[in-house]
Amino acid sequence: AQSVSQHNHHVILSEAASLELGCNYSYGGTVNLFWYVQYPGQHLQLLLKYFSGDPLVKGIKGFEAEFIKSKFSFNLRKPSVQWSDTAEYFCAVRPSNDYKLSFGAGTTVTVRA
Amino acid sequence: GAVVSQHPSRVICKSGTSVKIECRSLDFQATTMFWYRQFPKKSLMLMATSNEGSKATYEQGVEKDKFLINHASLTLSTLTVTSAHPEDSSFYICSAPPQGSSYNEQFFGPGTRLTVL
Repeated sequence: AQSVSQHNHHVILSEAASLELGCNYSYGGTVNLFWYVQYPGQHLQLLLKYFSGDPLVKGIKGFEAEFIKSKFSFNLRKPSVQWSDTAEYFCAVRPSNDYKLSFGAGTTVTVRA
Repeated sequence: GAVVSQHPSRVICKSGTSVKIECRSLDFQATTMFWYRQFPKKSLMLMATSNEGSKATYEQGVEKDKFLINHASLTLSTLTVTSAHPEDSSFYICSAPPQGSSYNEQFFGPGTRLTVL
């Protein structure tokens, strides 16, 4: 079974700082990759996804992620965060021949004004 | 975008009682819905896959007799926690991929906070 690891449990940063959240997965086959965000009191929302093609994926709200196949990584980035980016971020992986999503443990991001 | 609702949003019950949680896709049909459990500061763990018109598929370690799942229609799946105990207290989340979407995107409900006293 595949596993997903997120390196940072809690990240605290100031507005306008750059953000990078690590995500690695263990699965030898072709995968679809996702980043979800959960704002306080709200449901999970899709930030971006990668299926194939350009490994640099742009999502909503200025987020982007880069798929590096050789490193089994799908790191999330944002050049300049805002206070409203305070949320829980989850990386998820789905083997392309399966329907099940496996989630990382999540990273809490706190942006200080 | 597609919306998934859950009811109730939070429930408190006594140990030994049963609790039913509903998951509805409001503006799309879903032949499959997923039920997850989320522990504090932990990942979402898939509990089971709910299939319209057939039996649910449970993940290893999930008691099917304790967590009863019924996918009554293309827009409704229910999770019943039977004879609930304090260790069942958790945040339960459902998700649904739109019918025909090849599971490329799942839409999540807002979750149900279950507290068993």
